[in-house]
Amino acid sequence: NAGVTQTPKFRVLKTGQSMTLLCAQDMNHEYMYWYRQDPGMGLRLIHYSVGEGTTAKGEVPDGYNVSRLKKQNFLLGLESAAPSQTSVYFCASRPSGRETQYFGPGTRLLVL
Amino acid sequence: GDSVTQMEGPVTLSEEAFLTINCTYTATGYPSLFWYVQYPGEGLQLLLKATKADDKGSNKGFEATYRKETTSFHLEKGSVQVSDSAVYFCALSQKANAGGTSYGKLTFGQGTILTVHP
Repeated sequence: NAGVTQTPKFRVLKTGQSMTLLCAQDMNHEYMYWYRQDPGMGLRLIHYSVGEGTTAKGEVPDGYNVSRLKKQNFLLGLESAAPSQTSVYFCASRPSGRETQYFGPGTRLLVL
Repeated sequence: GDSVTQMEGPVTLSEEAFLTINCTYTATGYPSLFWYVQYPGEGLQLLLKATKADDKGSNKGFEATYRKETTSFHLEKGSVQVSDSAVYFCALSQKANAGGTSYGKLTFGQGTILTVHP
């Protein structure tokens, strides 16, 4: 049981490049979330999903897109990376009816 | 909207010292309150939680009491260890109504870096 895993662990992009971050969970959780963590600001919600095939915007969705084609996977896409998207990205999941979220180890992204 | 405010850090203590990290919140309704911990190079993991007023959450020697009258959820530990060095996040999650559930968004404080020296 691996829990929540994230790929890649670290990435450097140039401004304007695109990339996809992958989050996978093997706990059969319905809810999945993408957060970004910036110094002095805690974690902020980018997008979330309440089930396979559904996604919704969080607090800071601009510049990001998401997809949840399979229940266990939640993808975060950056179509045209900007330096302001330099951050650490965390994925989390939780089962329906429970409040505790389970976090992945994070992806560190640097946009030059 | 909802918000969480944590005491400014970083906090540096000697081993076996008493720890308090203050957390206050602003929210409507009946939020649940959490403390998450992030060890170096790792993701966040739940430390403890409380779901209603006057509940006390506890784990690994840490405690926090849900105080609705002061809108606070301060984290305490009587004797810290070097292994407690980490970043601590206070967070809240809204329920749609008392006893209900929302989509479960967590609102985080800014985090407090704790360093414990031998």
